[in-house]
Amino acid sequence: DARVTQTPRHKVTEMGQEVTMRCQPILGHNTVFWYRQTMMQGLELLAYFRNRAPLDDSGMPKDRFSAEMPDATLATLKIQPSEPRDSAVYFCASGSPTSGSSYNEQFFGPGTRLTVL
Amino acid sequence: AQSVTQLGSHVSVSEGALVLLRCNYSSSVPPYLFWYVQYPNQGLQLLLKYTTGATLVKGINGFEAEFKKSETSFHLTKPSAHMSDAAEYFCAVSRNTDKLIFGTGTRLQVFP
Repeated sequence: DARVTQTPRHKVTEMGQEVTMRCQPILGHNTVFWYRQTMMQGLELLAYFRNRAPLDDSGMPKDRFSAEMPDATLATLKIQPSEPRDSAVYFCASGSPTSGSSYNEQFFGPGTRLTVL
Repeated sequence: AQSVTQLGSHVSVSEGALVLLRCNYSSSVPPYLFWYVQYPNQGLQLLLKYTTGATLVKGINGFEAEFKKSETSFHLTKPSAHMSDAAEYFCAVSRNTDKLIFGTGTRLQVFP
């Protein structure tokens, strides 16, 4: 059963600390998306990658957020330093135009719930 | 620019009643349209999608949606609600891009 996995599922940290969230896309998927979900803003696209290269990170605060794909099986989202306003659920999704499905059908992970105190 | 409007942030129905969740889109080109469902503490799951062809699309769990170009709508329906349908539902639009533009979501409550 192919699924997107995310770790950790929950993270509580103090303001100023570094936070790293990890995502393992579905094997064979070459597009990875990072979203943030809050009550106030809903679902926001932070960044996405195709074949490990960043295509769009315009939704991401550049001063404290960074996203990378060290290899095809791992995507990371880092916040340094974290602030209380970063508290949200962060979702990773993956997809692929070669998967046989619509190229923008995205498969979501379970999310990382981040609380910054 | 593309956008999605979901009318009603909360919808409540009785078990067995018709479910109707509304979605209107704005797109300068023929869109791809999607409905996703999010159960508590879970990620989003694709319910159904419209890309081309038949305008009435059937999805999982008995849901269906109809693409109406003249009304720029893609409303989600289910003839008979079940308690397990309680969740948040998101409409999304895309075209010629990897990116999905999501609506603000509609929370469906089902009462016994």
